Amino acid sequence: DAGITQSPRHKVTETGTPVTLRCHQTENHRYMYWYRQDPGHGLRLIHYSYGVKDTDKGEVSDGYSVSRSKTEDFLLTLESATSSQTSVYFCAISDPGGQGDFGDTQYFGPGTRLTVL
Amino acid sequence: DQQVKQNSPSLSVQEGRISILNCDYTNSMFDYFLWYKKYPAEGPTFLISISSIKDKNEDGRFTVFLNKSAKHLSLHIVPSQPGDSAVYFCAASVSGSRLTFGEGTQLTVNP
Repeated sequence: DAGITQSPRHKVTETGTPVTLRCHQTENHRYMYWYRQDPGHGLRLIHYSYGVKDTDKGEVSDGYSVSRSKTEDFLLTLESATSSQTSVYFCAISDPGGQGDFGDTQYFGPGTRLTVL
Repeated sequence: DQQVKQNSPSLSVQEGRISILNCDYTNSMFDYFLWYKKYPAEGPTFLISISSIKDKNEDGRFTVFLNKSAKHLSLHIVPSQPGDSAVYFCAASVSGSRLTFGEGTQLTVNP
């Protein structure tokens, strides 16, 4: 199994509070991703990173920001949590073969279940 | 615009029989396809993949079939086992681009 951990694994918070989720990898993979999983929607990409300090938006990025100051850590921040952000969040990593190559096979962490009341 | 669709939210089969999970896509530029399996409270795990230059790929009990003309992908599990009960996601990408996932199909294998 790829060495990917996520913290916390569960969190309950209130609307309007900031929340930060952490993804840590020990595989030295260049690409890291944040997804959310919701019933009927599968996995939707929030943000991704292709290197330290290099990030870009996914398809559902509104209300989220990310940071990557080290290869092994990718943080997802909800600046002001809303009930619509209640979801299960997954981090993933991939090992691309070259510049601009996402490295199609992604490996996932165990997930964080976030509830916003 | 849902470019990858799994039209069956659930599938139930008997142990020992074949499970067939289906996936349709609309983007003809997709050239790499994957299946992931997900157990409750765990992250998705990579199962099997296929490149668009092939129409079949096998790995043990799992076979993926690709029909490019129909833009259709299927995963066959033979024989099905109770431990195969999970949510299965198909995903697709254009070379070097990010993955697009389907909605998932819950497979239940009954003993």
